[in-house]
Amino acid sequence: DVKVTQSSRYLVKRTGEKVFLECVQDMDHENMFWYRQDPGLGLRLIYFSYDVKMKEKGDIPEGYSVSREKKERFSLILESASTNQTSMYLCASSLVGGPFYEQYFGPGTRLTVT
Amino acid sequence: GNSVTQMEGPVTLSEEAFLTINCTYTATGYPSLFWYVQYPGEGLQLLLKATKADDKGSNKGFEATYRKETTSFHLEKGSVQVSDSAVYFCALILTGGGNKLTFGTGTQLKVEL
Repeated sequence: DVKVTQSSRYLVKRTGEKVFLECVQDMDHENMFWYRQDPGLGLRLIYFSYDVKMKEKGDIPEGYSVSREKKERFSLILESASTNQTSMYLCASSLVGGPFYEQYFGPGTRLTVT
Repeated sequence: GNSVTQMEGPVTLSEEAFLTINCTYTATGYPSLFWYVQYPGEGLQLLLKATKADDKGSNKGFEATYRKETTSFHLEKGSVQVSDSAVYFCALILTGGGNKLTFGTGTQLKVEL
């Protein structure tokens, strides 16, 4: 079974702090994704990566950056956390190619910025 | 651009009732369609999928048919259980679209005894 793990289930940080969210997948997937989930807005793509050291902006990249130094690990970085970044963050991974692209999700990190 | 519209929730049903959650889409190309489910406290899991018109995806008693003429992918189940209580997300991806999923806003389902 594909497993996607995230470093924390719950995180509380103060405004202005630098925050790292880590995601690891164990199925050698090329693609990895970071989403945020907010009530009434569904899931919105922040960044994705299709290879080591490669990244592309999603729909809402402002205030975030990412790092992918190894194939299995994809980090989301909040350079200076703000209260409007309080949200649920979900990581996902998938293979490249095929008629469809099933994404496998981690359990999520609920981040609160105070 | 691409978008997915789902019926607003929460949807509250009694156990063994029939379930329909509506989903319609707008896409510039020819998408594959998905339903994901999120149980309380967990991440999303793929429930079912369909990759071309008239395909029917099915899993765990849930079904959805890809209707190109009405741009819809409604989720149905004949008899819901309390354990089906979750949030359901409809999503699409365009073939060759860079692996980017477009999600609907989600529909919460509550099933009561």
